[in-house]
This record gives sequence, C-alpha cells and structure tokens, in this order.
Amino acid sequence: DTAVSQTPKYLVTQMGNDKSIKCEQNLGHDTMYWYKQDSKKFLKIMFSYNNKELIINETVPNRFSPKSPDKAHLNLHINSLELGDSAVYFCASSQNPGELFFGEGSRLTVL
Amino acid sequence: GNSVTQMEGPVTLSEEAFLTINCTYTATGYPSLFWYVQYPGEGLQLLLKATKADDKGSNKGFEATYRKETTSFHLEKGSVQVSDSAVYFCALRGGGNKLTFGTGTQLKVEL
Repeated sequence: DTAVSQTPKYLVTQMGNDKSIKCEQNLGHDTMYWYKQDSKKFLKIMFSYNNKELIINETVPNRFSPKSPDKAHLNLHINSLELGDSAVYFCASSQNPGELFFGEGSRLTVL
Repeated sequence: GNSVTQMEGPVTLSEEAFLTINCTYTATGYPSLFWYVQYPGEGLQLLLKATKADDKGSNKGFEATYRKETTSFHLEKGSVQVSDSAVYFCALRGGGNKLTFGTGTQLKVEL
C-alpha cells in the first residue's frame, strides 16, 4: 500500500487551463504539505495543513488553492495555468515535525 | 531567516570511495537538521536526522554530526555503491512544521 499517493503522475496542459492534483495519505498523519520542485531540483514549500486547518501559506499566487476535505486528503487546484507553473509538485505528510513522507510527485507541463 | 547551503554538484565517485557532502546552515535558536535523499523519479525520503548539537544521525551507512560551532551537518559515507546515486538534500526545521531545504547535491557513483 502506497503511504502518500498523488494523482495524476503526469499532467500536460495548455496555458490558461485549470487543473487539480489530488493527494491521499494512509499513515494517519495530522499534517500534510504541498511542495514545488523546479527544473533545478529546488524545493519550495507552498502550503501546509494540520487537521484540515491551513497553517503554512507561503508567497504563492492566489491562482493556487489548496483544499483539505479531511486530514487524509490534500488537493491542489491551479487556475489559469502559466508556463512558469511547470514543475514537479510533491505532496507530503508528517506526524513528527521535520519527518516528512513524500509522494512520488506530479509532473506538470504547461505548453 | 533560516537558510541551508549545500555544495554544488554533481559529485562523481567510483564505487567504494568515501563520500562527503557539505552542508552549512544559518538559523536562530536551535534548529533540527535533516538529510533527505531523492532517487530518480521518486519523492524524497528521510535519510537521517539530528535534533541537538553533537548528535550524530545515521542510517544505511550514512552519517552526519550536528556541529553547532561550525553550523554544519556534513553527510558522510565510508564506501558508496552505485545504488547510492541520487540527489541529497540537507534541511533544517527552526520551529513549527516548516522545513527549509538546501538546493540539493547530485551524487553519481560509477563502477
């Protein structure tokens, strides 16, 4: 059983479209995250939720909207996609601060 | 603010060579320090951690010692294998749930 699973794994879309990435964790963790990894492998936190409550909201365009329907799920919706949004988006969860379990990533390509 | 600086890669080694990947940090207070590893096409995995000065984290033959006096947390392994080829990320947690990652160091191990 995959601990942190994301779908889709690959996403190719046109500029201006809206897309969503879903994440689920079966570890029973209270905290979930979205990270963005660019082409140079640089990792930047975007959002974090603890028990469905938003606790970290970094400087991210408001075209990005996270949603946590319950503590096992954290989805990311992106409106009006731009070329610069192309990246790998990682979902992660943790129970102990700093000890993150990452999903396999969702590679988004905006054409 | 908090920051992590890692040596630039790629680092290319022959199998059974000794590995050091340098990591230094800037933080207020007493951060916890981590090394994560990312194998090709996968998400990051926690490799080891240290939560206070002089602690040594170790796992899978890798070690790192939390040196407060030099603000460093260098990763070492005595004898690398081809299967260790990956990108290694140093990270710190100052407070709360936010991890600050370094830029990653790619390791290539050749036969």
